[in-house]
Amino acid sequence: AQTVTQSQPEMSVQEAETVTLSCTYDTSENNYYLFWYKQPPSRQMILVIRQEAYKQQNATENRFSVNFQKAAKSFSLKISDSQLGDTAMYFCAFRENYGGSQGNLIFGKGTKLSVKP
Amino acid sequence: SAVISQKPSRDICQRGTSLTIQCQVDSQVTMMFWYRQQPGQSLTLIATANQGSEATYESGFVIDKFPISRPNLTFSTLTVSNMSPEDSSIYLCSVRNGHGGYTFGSGTRLTVV
Repeated sequence: AQTVTQSQPEMSVQEAETVTLSCTYDTSENNYYLFWYKQPPSRQMILVIRQEAYKQQNATENRFSVNFQKAAKSFSLKISDSQLGDTAMYFCAFRENYGGSQGNLIFGKGTKLSVKP
Repeated sequence: SAVISQKPSRDICQRGTSLTIQCQVDSQVTMMFWYRQQPGQSLTLIATANQGSEATYESGFVIDKFPISRPNLTFSTLTVSNMSPEDSSIYLCSVRNGHGGYTFGSGTRLTVV
C-alpha cells in the first residue's frame, strides 16, 4: 500500500525567509501524481502545487517549488519569501496514475507551518 | 476547476442523532470522495461515491454508519448516523478537477455532545 510520510509535525519561519517542508512516500508504481495542499484555519483545502512522476522537471508556482527525487521517493516543498498568509497546515498527498484506480488521494499527517513577523 | 458548495459548514449535534452533509458541484463529475479529518489529524478517505452504484467504503468505515447517496453527477450526501463524540471531526467532499488536481468542499465541522 502507498504511504506518505511527513516527518516535521511543526515548523516556523521568519517572514521573508525560505523554508522547506519534507515529504517521502512509498509506492511500487512508476506513474503517479504528488501534491502539496495547504489548509489554513478556515479549513479549506487549497492546492499549492502538483507534480507528475513522469516529469523530471521540478514544478514551480510563484514562490512555491518542489524538489522531486523519484529514486529517493522524496517530494519536498520550498516556500520562498515566506508571508504571514502562508501560515497553515501543509499536507503532502499521493495519487497513483488513474488507469483503473479509484484515484483518491493519500495524505501525509501534515506539517503545521507558522510564519512569524 | 470545479466549484463545490458544501453544507452545513458546522453543526453541534446530540449523541444518537444523525447529520446529513451535502455537496453540490457546479459541473458533472464521475467520482466524489468523502474524507474525515479528526482533530489535529490528516484526511482519511471514508468512501468513494459513483453515480448509479453503491459507494465503495474504505476499511474501518461501513455503510450503516456513513450512508452515502449519489443521485446524479453533481450532487452527493454523506450521513453520519447514530453519532457519538468520537464522530466529532471535519468532513470534506472532494472531486477530481480537469487539471490533474482535486477540488475540496469547504468542510463541515461536526461536534457531537
